[in-house]
Parts: sequence; structure tokens; C-alpha cells
Amino acid sequence: QKEVEQNSGPLSVPEGAIASLNCTYSDRGSQSFFWYRQYSGKSPELIMFIYSNGDKEDGRFTAQLNKASQYVSLLIRDSQPSDSATYLCAVNPGTYKYIFGTGTRLKVLA
Amino acid sequence: GAVVSQHPSWVICKSGTSVKIECRSLDFQATTMFWYRQFPKQSLMLMATSNEGSKATYEQGVEKDKFLINHASLTLSTLTVTSAHPEDSSFYICSERGLGSGYTFGSGTRLTVV
Repeated sequence: QKEVEQNSGPLSVPEGAIASLNCTYSDRGSQSFFWYRQYSGKSPELIMFIYSNGDKEDGRFTAQLNKASQYVSLLIRDSQPSDSATYLCAVNPGTYKYIFGTGTRLKVLA
Repeated sequence: GAVVSQHPSWVICKSGTSVKIECRSLDFQATTMFWYRQFPKQSLMLMATSNEGSKATYEQGVEKDKFLINHASLTLSTLTVTSAHPEDSSFYICSERGLGSGYTFGSGTRLTVV
């Protein structure tokens, strides 16, 4: 069973701090990795994707991938209350299907 | 990126009735659409893959006679929940694979069966 694991949280951080969200996956052959943000009652929206080992930065967001450790993370710098949401990690094991984690709920405290 | 229009955004129906959810690709001809279901505080679970002009592919454990999928054109896929029961109450989301990376999701449909 291919799995994607995330800590359900909630992860609480003060406004302005760095939020670190983590995800591990079981299929070593996975090729692409995605982070989605989902507000309560809404559908997910893509924040970032990463294919290669290392860091990828986009504004306040940085995705980090370590294929050897089967680990992908999302850092949110200068966290804002509007960042409060559930963050879903998704992994593409090389097929057309994505495998989603259960999500980490982030709370940014004003 | 791709834009997917899904409606209705929410629906309440009586037990035993059927509900149709529509998903339209507004700027991309989607030969494939994906239908997900999400229960509260759970992950997205792929229900089926909708292929234009052919039968949908259902995931294990999903009743194809209960969740009817039609993908009659490159821009429209529909999911019909037949003979709905309270346990079918969930958040249903369609998605398509856009021109770039990652899937684009519709806005979702909150189904409540009473």
C-alpha cells in the first residue's frame, strides 16, 4: 500500500514565525511532489510542486525534497493568520494518480 | 492554469433520491477528469477516473452502479450519486490535469443526504 504520511496537527505558530510542515512517503519510485492548501469547506489549491532533490523557493514558501529519506517539507516564512489552513502533501508515484496525505492543520496566531 | 467549474457547490437531498454534480473545464480540453471524495478531517480519496468517450475507471471499493460517471465531451464530466443515503454525505471534488504541473480542482460540492 503506497502511503503518504503527515502529522495531523494542529501546528500552531505565532504570526511572523516560520511554519514547517512535513511529509513522508513510502514509494521510493515517486517522481513528483505537491503541496496543496485547503481552507475549511473549500477545495485544495496548489501552492508548490517539486521534482528534484533540494530546495525550491516561491515567495514565502520553500519546498524541500530529500528522496533518499523519502521526505518532503514545506516552509512558510513570515506566517500570516491567512495562512491558517490544512496543508495537503500529494505524491505522484509515476502514474496518473496522486496519493494524498491526510493533511496538517496549521494555525497562525495573531 | 486550467480552470474547472463545478456545481452545485452544495446540495441537500432526501434519502433515496439521485444527485448530479457537474464539472466543466473552462479553458482546457480535459480528456481525463478525476473524481474525489473527502470526509471530514480525512484525506482526498480518488473515486474514479473519467475518460472522455469511454467508460470510467473506478477505484477499488467504489460502486460503479451507485456513482455514475459520464464524460460525454472534452469539457464536461458528471457524477451522479444514485439512491443517495446519509453515509454518502461528503465533499465531492473533481479535478483535471492542466497544462502545467499539478492538478486543478473544482470548487467542490458539499452533499448532505437527509
